[in-house]
Amino acid sequence: NAGVTQTPKFRVLKTGQSMTLLCAQDMNHEYMYWYRQDPGMGLRLIHYSVGEGTTAKGEVPDGYNVSRLKKQNFLLGLESAAPSQTSVYFCASSANGMSQETQYFGPGTRLLVL
Amino acid sequence: AQSVAQPEDQVNVAEGNPLTVKCTYSVSGNPYLFWYVQYPNRGLQFLLKYITGDNLVKGSYGFEAEFNKSQTSFHLKKPSALVSDSALYFCAVRDVTGGFKTIFGAGTRLFVKA
Repeated sequence: NAGVTQTPKFRVLKTGQSMTLLCAQDMNHEYMYWYRQDPGMGLRLIHYSVGEGTTAKGEVPDGYNVSRLKKQNFLLGLESAAPSQTSVYFCASSANGMSQETQYFGPGTRLLVL
Repeated sequence: AQSVAQPEDQVNVAEGNPLTVKCTYSVSGNPYLFWYVQYPNRGLQFLLKYITGDNLVKGSYGFEAEFNKSQTSFHLKKPSALVSDSALYFCAVRDVTGGFKTIFGAGTRLFVKA
């Protein structure tokens, strides 16, 4: 089991460029999440999905879009990157949305927007 | 509103000494509490969680945490620190009635000196 994987590991973008971050999980989890991690702020939820074909906004969704066409994949898109989107992005998954469920995290994608 | 506070940005401890990483929380209902650890250039890894029952929860790598409802705290502890415990530690909370939404603390960096 690879668990949760993310590609790419690192990317540099210029302001205004677009890109897609890919998250894949092989645990047959229903729920998937995208977080961003900024110094001194912990993790903040960008978007999430409760199942294939569904997505919803989290705490900080502006400037991002997501898609969940397949159960195992959750894509995060930046249509027009801004320096404020420089961050480390983590994907996570959980078996379901029960409050006691543990989340499993990917290794992260470090994004620098110049 | 839910919130989590980790009052210390950094904790320094000598190898072999006991360690404590502090966490306090605020939720409107009953909490589910989690500790995650992040090693350099890695995603978050689950350490332990409190759902119900015994206030002392034991987790991975010899860590434990004590739930104190009256003080709304969930401090992470280990009797004897190892250099390999050096990492970033996140406390997280969910409201029992709030489903999957997880609030993460800002993180505490633990340095264990040999």
